[in-house]
Amino acid sequence: EDQVTQSPEALRLQEGESSSLNCSYTVSGLRGLFWYRQDPGKGPEFLFTLYSAGEEKEKERLKATLTKKESFLHITAPKPEDSATYLCAVQASGGSNYKLTFGKGTLLTVNP
Amino acid sequence: NAGVTQTPKFQVLKTGQSMTLQCAQDMNHNSMYWYRQDPGMGLRLIYYSASEGTTDKGEVPNGYNVSRLNKREFSLRLESAAPSQTSVYFCASRGTSSTHKNIQYFGAGTRLSVL
Repeated sequence: EDQVTQSPEALRLQEGESSSLNCSYTVSGLRGLFWYRQDPGKGPEFLFTLYSAGEEKEKERLKATLTKKESFLHITAPKPEDSATYLCAVQASGGSNYKLTFGKGTLLTVNP
Repeated sequence: NAGVTQTPKFQVLKTGQSMTLQCAQDMNHNSMYWYRQDPGMGLRLIYYSASEGTTDKGEVPNGYNVSRLNKREFSLRLESAAPSQTSVYFCASRGTSSTHKNIQYFGAGTRLSVL
């Protein structure tokens, strides 16, 4: 069974204080690892897809990296508008459903 | 570009009542999904439709039925609502182009309370 564990559950940062969120996963074969951002009362918003170990992707202050067992979402010099819940999900290879298995998320709060 | 549209946004039901949650996408995607999100549980797959005319169970299908009405629309029905079905429901569709390969795009959600 595919499993995704995110840590920490909650993270409070000061504006400009860089940090990382962790996503550990167990999957029979990885088709892709996805990062989403979710604001209160909204649906998840796609950020990144990573397909193979060693891959990195960046968008503004966010950088996602992938190893064979985990992914990190690095946040550099965060701003209050980066406050949100960040969700990690894996998509297993094989089959035709392309379903996502999600972690429980990390609630990030950035204080001004 | 509307993306994935869900209706209604909010709903309150009494135990035993029925209702249908509607979802429509305008991105010409083949696959669509229904998830529920509960505090401390993360997003869990209820049902999915790999293509028009097909549906299949996900992780937590009990108490729900779905209909893939056409390529655009995928509805979720609660025949006899129970308090345990109080949740936030999200619909998603999956991209197939080289640019949006396998990415699931989510609607804004339906917040359902069953009293």
